[in-house]
Amino acid sequence: GNSVTQMEGPVTLSEEAFLTINCTYTATGYPSLFWYVQYPGEGLQLLLKATKADDKGSNKGFEATYRKETTSFHLEKGSVQVSDSAVYFCALSDRNTGNQFYFGTGTSLTVIP
Amino acid sequence: NAGVTQTPKFQVLKTGQSMTLQCAQDMNHEYMSWYRQDPGMGLRLIHYSVGAGITDQGEVPNGYNVSRSTTEDFPLRLLSAAPSQTSVYFCASSQPGTDTQYFGPGTRLTVL
Repeated sequence: GNSVTQMEGPVTLSEEAFLTINCTYTATGYPSLFWYVQYPGEGLQLLLKATKADDKGSNKGFEATYRKETTSFHLEKGSVQVSDSAVYFCALSDRNTGNQFYFGTGTSLTVIP
Repeated sequence: NAGVTQTPKFQVLKTGQSMTLQCAQDMNHEYMSWYRQDPGMGLRLIHYSVGAGITDQGEVPNGYNVSRSTTEDFPLRLLSAAPSQTSVYFCASSQPGTDTQYFGPGTRLTVL
């Protein structure tokens, strides 16, 4: 079946630190992979996505590369800001199941000045 | 475009009461879904619909009903609320083939 596993949080970093949030997946087909971000009190927003192996998604300084050989889609940012404090969700979409989404449990990030 | 809208934003129910959470989208998306978000469990799919008149169960459908009479609307009904249904509920929509889901702002439900 399909599933997503992401690193447990919470994660606390100082401003300008390097961020990595690990995400691995299991899929029966060829999924698309996503990172969504949820700011306090809001719904989820798409942060970035990649639709095939070796694709790199990027947005707002965040990056993630679709690695089929390691079934991973780790989120990285070189220098985090206080405004990046949020919960980050890794997800996959499987066309074989009607584009149904499968989400990880979320990783809470707090960036301190 | 308003995107995906949900009402109400907050709701408190007593055990056994019924209610409907409303969800609407103005993007003409065929695919709509309902999730619940609980601490440490991420988002879990309750029900989804691939078009008007078609609905199917997700991972945690028990205690919830849905219908899809129009493309725009996808209400979620709680028939007899239980404390275990205390959660934040998100509605989402997407167009098949585009891979991206658009989420509403959520409804925070408390069942006493």
